[in-house]
Amino acid sequence: EAGVAQSPRYKIIEKRQSVAFWCNPISGHATLYWYQQILGQGPKLLIQFQNNGVVDDSQLPKDRFSAERLKGVDSTLKIQPAKLEDSAVYLCASSNTRNTEAFFGQGTRLTVV
Amino acid sequence: GESVGLHLPTLSVQEGDNSIINCAYSNSASDYFIWYKQESGKGPQFIIDIRSNMDKRQGQRVTVLLNKTVKHLSLQIAATQPGDSAVYFCAETPSGNTPLVFGKGTRLSVIA
Repeated sequence: EAGVAQSPRYKIIEKRQSVAFWCNPISGHATLYWYQQILGQGPKLLIQFQNNGVVDDSQLPKDRFSAERLKGVDSTLKIQPAKLEDSAVYLCASSNTRNTEAFFGQGTRLTVV
Repeated sequence: GESVGLHLPTLSVQEGDNSIINCAYSNSASDYFIWYKQESGKGPQFIIDIRSNMDKRQGQRVTVLLNKTVKHLSLQIAATQPGDSAVYFCAETPSGNTPLVFGKGTRLSVIA
């Protein structure tokens, strides 16, 4: 079974630029999550999708972050404009139902300079 | 690769010894718990889970214990191996649709 795929693996941008991350979840998984992991901390949820609908985006900084999952499969997370404090690893995870094990991708490491 | 958890609590054990990693969770309403292992430069990897109607669950070389009275979770690794070196996170989810909330993590270092 293929795992959660994310791209790119690494990204370096200047502050105030925009950036987008892509995630392809495990086939058949209806629930998709984006987490932000700052160095030295545990992952923090940004947004949760159930199919193509948003379930929880209460911790998403909506003035600069956006995410979509238009067809209920792949998802993109965008930051515009980026700030220095956005430097982190952005992890995508998926699960076949809510409140069960989530499978994680390798993440995208973002460095904002 | 990325170095995760530069300032995390650290547990050092000799190869072959048993390891115990502890976690205090915050929400008494949480009913599902997972331990994840995260190696440098990788995403968290599922180790074992437990639901609130259980107080112990065993896997291959790993055991999770849940004490709901004091909101405490522990992960026991038997015969720790160098490949077990990683950062370990506990994660909880309250009942309903709420997604996983992660703890701060513990770095396990295995001394050969």
